[in-house]
Amino acid sequence: KAGVTQTPRYLIKTRGQQVTLSCSPISGHRSVSWYQQTPGQGLQFLFEYFSETQRNKGNFPGRFSGRQFSNSRSEMNVSTLELGDSALYLCASSLGQSSNQPQHFGDGTRLSIL
Amino acid sequence: DAKTTQPTSMDCAEGRAANLPCNHSTISGNEYVYWYRQIHSQGPQYIIHGLKNNETNEMASLIITEDRKSSTLILPHATLRDTAVYYCIVRAFTGANSKLTFGKGITLSVRP
Repeated sequence: KAGVTQTPRYLIKTRGQQVTLSCSPISGHRSVSWYQQTPGQGLQFLFEYFSETQRNKGNFPGRFSGRQFSNSRSEMNVSTLELGDSALYLCASSLGQSSNQPQHFGDGTRLSIL
Repeated sequence: DAKTTQPTSMDCAEGRAANLPCNHSTISGNEYVYWYRQIHSQGPQYIIHGLKNNETNEMASLIITEDRKSSTLILPHATLRDTAVYYCIVRAFTGANSKLTFGKGITLSVRP
């Protein structure tokens, strides 16, 4: 069974640009969550989608947004990029929203802002 | 979500059992204990989770104390590939708070 697939694996952007990251969940999984990982802040929750609706949101500015499609695939968008947005962005999928259903992570997209 | 406390680091010899402790003294009755690990440059890998009973799978065993205030992850025969950061997470029961809140984790070094 294929795992969570994130594309691209690496991305380089400059300040002020915007970026879209993609996540394909494990087949049959309907919940997708996004996390940001930096050396200073560690792993931080961005948002969670289930049935194409954002169900939960972390403490990030509105420049960070996402969406989920009917096939459960998800994208996240960051606009007006800042140097501090350089991070590993991780996507995780699970069967549903129950706390008894583990989230499984992809290997992330490493975003570098110049 | 309840917070967890883990040592910063530990090491063990290859082939021996690695016992990773975690304190979660403020855990609520319906919160799960989850363990993940992260090897450099990869995403976190799910290991195991439990509510109150001990759990075992092909990767590890999870021992939760009767009062649920602490737990231990056991890797029965550690290998060099088990060197990673291990995160102990307490996960709220309700859907709106089902996000994973990661701490700093414990760095396990397996020595030859």
